[in-house]
Amino acid sequence: QQQVKQSPQSLIVQKGGISIINCAYENTAFDYFPWYQQFPGKGPALLIAIRPDVSEKKEGRFTISFNKSAKQFSLHIMDSQPGDSATYFCAASRGAQKLVFGQGTRLTINP
Amino acid sequence: DADVTQTPRNRITKTGKRIMLECSQTKGHDRMYWYRQDPGLGLRLIYYSFDVKDINKGEISDGYSVSRQAQAKFSLSLESAIPNQTALYFCATAQAGGSYNEQFFGPGTRLTVL
Repeated sequence: QQQVKQSPQSLIVQKGGISIINCAYENTAFDYFPWYQQFPGKGPALLIAIRPDVSEKKEGRFTISFNKSAKQFSLHIMDSQPGDSATYFCAASRGAQKLVFGQGTRLTINP
Repeated sequence: DADVTQTPRNRITKTGKRIMLECSQTKGHDRMYWYRQDPGLGLRLIYYSFDVKDINKGEISDGYSVSRQAQAKFSLSLESAIPNQTALYFCATAQAGGSYNEQFFGPGTRLTVL
């Protein structure tokens, strides 16, 4: 049972473009929505996270947009760079309970 | 992350063999987790432990067992490995007592079962 659905599975964006990855969740009790970034040969690392009391959170070129009524959240990478090429995972949890991860998106930024 | 280490980093084994994957952490975290990563399936939780005396099954625990030898050590065992357990395995840690669950991942173990 997949409680967090992520799309697309893979994405190719030109350098300088905007990368957008989407996630949808089912459990309305979730109240923490992080995004993890994983480079080849490495473990995932927390990139940015949001709580449902705000609709957007921005850190540098990375922005999470959150739509509570639609039960959806997305990651936007502005001015995408080749160094952003990685696999991205969305996740959700209720408080400090265990995280439920999406299926992952392999992002490639072409120079 | 050098604070969470996994051994071995790569392992090839045969069907039916017993294998142990080890995880150690120097972050002082109480919570530890084992995940497996498969293409198109993301990260799926195998087992997790909130302290030395606490072990909990995740969503895909069948065929696996764990041991929490100390606060800093959490091992995953495959008693009789099968080919569909070929995957990338990650250990993660988290601080207890926080409001939210930021997890810190090790570098992973690539396991191949022939």
